[in-house]
Amino acid sequence: GEDVEQSLFLSVREGDSSVINCTYTDSSSTYLYWYKQEPGAGLQLLTYIFSNMDMKQDQRLTVLLNKKDKHLSLRIADTQTGDSAIYFCAETDTSNSGYALNFGKGTSLLVTP
Amino acid sequence: DGGITQSPKYLFRKEGQNVTLSCEQNLNHDAMYWYRQDPGQGLRLIYYSQIVNDFQKGDIAEGYSVSREKKESFPLTVTSAQKNPTAFYLCASSRRDGISYEQYFGPGTRLTVT
Repeated sequence: GEDVEQSLFLSVREGDSSVINCTYTDSSSTYLYWYKQEPGAGLQLLTYIFSNMDMKQDQRLTVLLNKKDKHLSLRIADTQTGDSAIYFCAETDTSNSGYALNFGKGTSLLVTP
Repeated sequence: DGGITQSPKYLFRKEGQNVTLSCEQNLNHDAMYWYRQDPGQGLRLIYYSQIVNDFQKGDIAEGYSVSREKKESFPLTVTSAQKNPTAFYLCASSRRDGISYEQYFGPGTRLTVT
């Protein structure tokens, strides 16, 4: 399938902002998603953005999409220790009948006090 | 409460045995998916089903089988033909007529084969 790339690790101090980046190669991507996974758990949908948008804000989360560069970012404001988790970027192409998600390998976010 | 359940949370099997992982959803979603997650890896698609009595292979279907006899249920069988079955297995579901097609995930089953 098409590639979704993320940096593997990010460490920030509590109260700072975190920015997690993602690049993708499928120019037909229709929706892009951010999921959070805590240890031993399933994935929790954080937010998503439609490909014709360039920004979406939801409380402490801001998603920026640069469709020209195929670059997606997730900014978490006022990062807390409870935000420590693995964050996955994913995309889907709705012209694909399966609507299956194509995931990056995940970014481990560590928030230190 | 609506959601997706997977059971059991931990499963241990001997090599050469088939094992079936359960996935049930009460979200009234048409589509269901199985993913496999290995340490340091993203999720890889095993099988998906868009409607009852129909399913398609994903990227890594070899050694796995599924059925979709009911809308709510999408069990995954890990057969003895799967060469490296130890992994974390995640089930998900989604609407097919929605706005954003987001998938909702179950808590996962960790399978260990020795």
